[in-house]
Amino acid sequence: EAGVVQSPRYKIIEKKQPVAFWCNPISGHNTLYWYRQNLGQGPELLIRYENEEAVDDSQLPKDRFSAERLKGVDSTLKIQPAELGDSAVYLCASSLTATGGWADTQYFGPGTRLTVL
Amino acid sequence: TQLLEQSPQFLSIQEGENLTVYCNSSSVFSSLQWYRQEPGEGPVLLVTVVTGGEVKKLKRLTFQFGDARKDSSLHITAAQPGDTGLYLCAGKIQGAQKLVFGQGTRLTINP
Repeated sequence: EAGVVQSPRYKIIEKKQPVAFWCNPISGHNTLYWYRQNLGQGPELLIRYENEEAVDDSQLPKDRFSAERLKGVDSTLKIQPAELGDSAVYLCASSLTATGGWADTQYFGPGTRLTVL
Repeated sequence: TQLLEQSPQFLSIQEGENLTVYCNSSSVFSSLQWYRQEPGEGPVLLVTVVTGGEVKKLKRLTFQFGDARKDSSLHITAAQPGDTGLYLCAGKIQGAQKLVFGQGTRLTINP
């Protein structure tokens, strides 16, 4: 079974440019997460979706970040405009549910490494 | 301020040695997980502990959850070069669904 797929794997852009990341979760997983992982740190949650509904976006910088999960499957995360401090690895994860127990085990994709020059 | 503090942040030892890494907090967690992350990859779940005092073993890795569910440790016996990676602890604070990660311990096992 395929794992979480993310693209692109690497992206280099100049500051003030827009950028978008794409995630395809594991088939049948209702919950999707976007995390940001700065160098030398653990991942930090940006947004969590239950199907197509964003149920926790409290850590998403809404002035420049946006996300969508149309039809409750694939998701995109966008930054516009990008700033130097946005350089990080953006990880997507999915789980069957988020209600506790084994079913909320999160499976991570390989991430997109963003460099803003 | 980091909710979960991991120590040490970096550890480099020789193959065959034993090691322990720690994950500490002042908060109580309903569950705590350990992940390993290799360069260019996402974190991969190793274990979940949910009961205070719980001990779980995965081959040469032993995981312990503190009695008060505020801390955890990972012990590796006879470390091998394949154990090299970033070890992350992550927990769910009681009553919350959000998973909070520590900053990680970067482990290097030298042949």
